[in-house]
Amino acid sequence: DIVMTQSPDSLAVSLGERATINCKSSQSVLYSSNNKNYLAWYQQKPGQPPKLLIYWASTRESGVPDRFSGSGSGTDFTLTISSLQAEDVAVYYCQQYYSTPPITFGPGTKVDIK
Amino acid sequence: EVQLVESGGVVVQPGGSLRLSCAASGFTFDDYTMHWVRQAPGKGLEWVSLISWDGGSTYYADSVKGRFTISRDNSKNSLYLQMNSLRTEDTALYYCAKDIGRGTSAFDYWGQGTLVTVSS
Repeated sequence: DIVMTQSPDSLAVSLGERATINCKSSQSVLYSSNNKNYLAWYQQKPGQPPKLLIYWASTRESGVPDRFSGSGSGTDFTLTISSLQAEDVAVYYCQQYYSTPPITFGPGTKVDIK
Repeated sequence: EVQLVESGGVVVQPGGSLRLSCAASGFTFDDYTMHWVRQAPGKGLEWVSLISWDGGSTYYADSVKGRFTISRDNSKNSLYLQMNSLRTEDTALYYCAKDIGRGTSAFDYWGQGTLVTVSS
């Protein structure tokens, strides 16, 4: 199974500042035949189901604000919130879908306002 | 508008059984793989099971293999999860999730979840 890790566990960022979350997979999730990274990011606010933000490591889901961006390849990935807004307070999860089953998630990173 | 509405979550004793349902609307149900994902109280997300568009392929997490069975009825736009031999560690909010398609197993729509509590 591919194990996903995230860092930091939590972070507090001032409004308007950049937030950066890292995700690492125990093996590459880059499929060489199509050069795609099988990696997604989700946002979960309290009391709500997760919401898809990014898939293929860097493709923003329809309707997601452009302050959210995904980058990275192979085993190391980053979710960046370029200018943190109050409504971005949430837990963020990465997920790999390269080696399925099982589909695996990272443990989550909690983002708060400083 | 895509909607996924789960039901069937209750309090059940260890060793008991339960069937969860998910009613889907707003999209062509039989075009998509569907999933169950769970979240224990205060914990992270755990993928449980998937079923292909036609029900011909099913996969399970090791933690539920042999105890849970996923199924679907495309004529009713419904997804199911039969849960047997329940354990206290199965206590969680169970989400029904739609596969985004396009060769991925990412999830673009989620239900609100149904709570399963396994306790004596």
